[in-house]
Amino acid sequence: LAKTTQPISMDSYEGQEVNITCSHNNIATNDYITWYQQFPSQGPRFIIQGYKTKVTNEVASLFIPADRKSSTLSLPRVSLSDTAVYYCLVGDSSGAGSYQLTFGKGTKLSVIP
Amino acid sequence: KAGVTQTPRYLIKTRGQQVTLSCSPISGHRSVSWYQQTPGQGLQFLFEYFSETQRNKGNFPGRFSGRQFSNSRSEMNVSTLELGDSALYLCASSAGNTDTQYFGPGTRLTVL
Repeated sequence: LAKTTQPISMDSYEGQEVNITCSHNNIATNDYITWYQQFPSQGPRFIIQGYKTKVTNEVASLFIPADRKSSTLSLPRVSLSDTAVYYCLVGDSSGAGSYQLTFGKGTKLSVIP
Repeated sequence: KAGVTQTPRYLIKTRGQQVTLSCSPISGHRSVSWYQQTPGQGLQFLFEYFSETQRNKGNFPGRFSGRQFSNSRSEMNVSTLELGDSALYLCASSAGNTDTQYFGPGTRLTVL
């Protein structure tokens, strides 16, 4: 399973765009990149998933360079409610076999008013 | 579509007892995974069930076990509870085709 590295914490002011970068040097060909958000005492919430280039949904954007050794989660105009821990994971989402999510320490994002 | 549900939400037990936690996946999802989350160790994978079969297992002692029923509902059992088993236990389900996992709210287990 590919190992990920992301910053332990980040601070941002309300209304700013936040970019959280994750390194995954050993990503495999079949691996997808997935980001989750977790609030205290709640289960992680799926944010976005991608394989290459750029993916955008109503919540965030995910930028993946051509070598796929890193990815950047972009949260536009954050609000106080975006204060949470964000996890980057890589794993085989092809449906070809069993799937085990390995969570790292995550990035604790604190949004300041 | 209803999300993943877990019961009970909170549980207090004493050392040596056993506990059973329940998880109902999203309708149509056949894969159910269990995770343990503690402040010190973070989120750790316990095991995954697919079509009533354990398909993957993490590095936990045999006191931790699980099963899945024909309707995809899953239960997790912890026997001979230890103080260190106090944690948030999370269940996640996936359809199996994309393997994106959707988590339930968790069961907060406190062992006294």
